Amino acid sequence: DGGITQSPKYLFRKEGQNVTLSCEQNLNHDAMYWYRQDPGQGLRLIYYSQIVNDFQKGDIAEGYSVSREKKESFPLTVTSAQKNPTAFYLCASRTGAANEKLFFGSGTQLSVL
Amino acid sequence: KQEVTQIPAALSVPEGENLVLNCSFTDSAIYNLQWFRQDPGKGLTSLLLIQSSQREQTSGRLNASLDKSSGRSTLYIAASQPGDSATYLCAVRYAGNMLTFGGGTRLMVKP
Repeated sequence: DGGITQSPKYLFRKEGQNVTLSCEQNLNHDAMYWYRQDPGQGLRLIYYSQIVNDFQKGDIAEGYSVSREKKESFPLTVTSAQKNPTAFYLCASRTGAANEKLFFGSGTQLSVL
Repeated sequence: KQEVTQIPAALSVPEGENLVLNCSFTDSAIYNLQWFRQDPGKGLTSLLLIQSSQREQTSGRLNASLDKSSGRSTLYIAASQPGDSATYLCAVRYAGNMLTFGGGTRLMVKP
């Protein structure tokens, strides 16, 4: 079954702790994205990667970090510098062509203990 | 700044009604526009993608239109069903391959 897998579905962070959200895709897509969604709001772009070993900051990158060592994987780390991390995090991917659809994972809900 | 707005934020209709969801954008230099559906606590599912050169796209009971000159797109849902209840988001792709999302319209279809 092709798709995007995010894990875990729920994650709890203690103050001062770094946590990592996983995103894996087997769609052979070049581009991958991380979005943050707050209740009742649209999506805001955190980071994106157009190709392996390259990534760019989005609109709200502060307090987050990413890596893209493999085409299939784009993990997001929420660092202790992110003071308001409670949100729903969505990973997405698409092929390199500009007009292709965006496909999303099922999301990770991060909460602060 | 490129902004995407969806009005209304919430909508409640009786089953069987035809309805229109609105999406407006400030910059008409778009590549394409995509409509998504999101169920509570879930990811987004792509419904329709309209290229900048197209006027509309149809899939089943859904029809999406695009008017770049006025900066508007509409999603028309025919004969609404309770299973259509979800949040509908539009997203506009601009140069640089970035998507700008609207805040969504939360739809409730009552049986």
